[in-house]
Amino acid sequence: ELKVEQNPLFLSMQEGKNYTIYCNYSTTSDRLYWYRQDPGKSLESLFVLLSNGAVKQEGRLMASLDTKARLSTLHITAAVHDLSATYFCAVNNNAGNMLTFGGGTRLMVKP
Amino acid sequence: EPEVTQTPSHQVTQMGQEVILRCVPISNHLYFYWYRQILGQKVEFLVSFYNNEISEKSEIFDDQFSVERPDGSNFTLKIRSTKLEDSAMYFCASSVTHNSPLHFGNGTRLTVT
Repeated sequence: ELKVEQNPLFLSMQEGKNYTIYCNYSTTSDRLYWYRQDPGKSLESLFVLLSNGAVKQEGRLMASLDTKARLSTLHITAAVHDLSATYFCAVNNNAGNMLTFGGGTRLMVKP
Repeated sequence: EPEVTQTPSHQVTQMGQEVILRCVPISNHLYFYWYRQILGQKVEFLVSFYNNEISEKSEIFDDQFSVERPDGSNFTLKIRSTKLEDSAMYFCASSVTHNSPLHFGNGTRLTVT
């Protein structure tokens, strides 16, 4: 059974600081996604990572994938308040889109 | 940008009643999904649907659940006899292919009393 673990579950940080969210998964997968969710809202796709060593960046967020370690990271650079949200990683179980989500990391960026 | 739309945004029902949650996937997408998120918990896969049949389903998707594409645009999730533990946010999603990124709708919050 595929398990996806994220840590930390909750992160409070000051604006301007850097931090990393970790996502570990238990079995081989060919895709890993990062999603953002604002309170009461839908899931917004941030990144899809397909191969070992993949790195993608969008603004202050950078995601990477190490398939050998079964680990993905989401790095936040110089956080701003607008990044406050819950971030989920998700891994597909098979060749399709049956995704297993991590428990989410609730990020609060304080001014 | 095309969106997945879901109706209603909030549904309140009594235990034992049937509910139908509706979704309009993005028009050129061929794969459709339902996920749910119990308040404060992780998002869980329910079912995927392609070519008018279920392609995969999770253990959560028991006989009380069914999906249908009644016409060329709608995709529905029916819960026959709701239980308190069915209270959750239900997200519909669609994708172009079986392994292209999912586009999620805004969700329907189902409250079972």
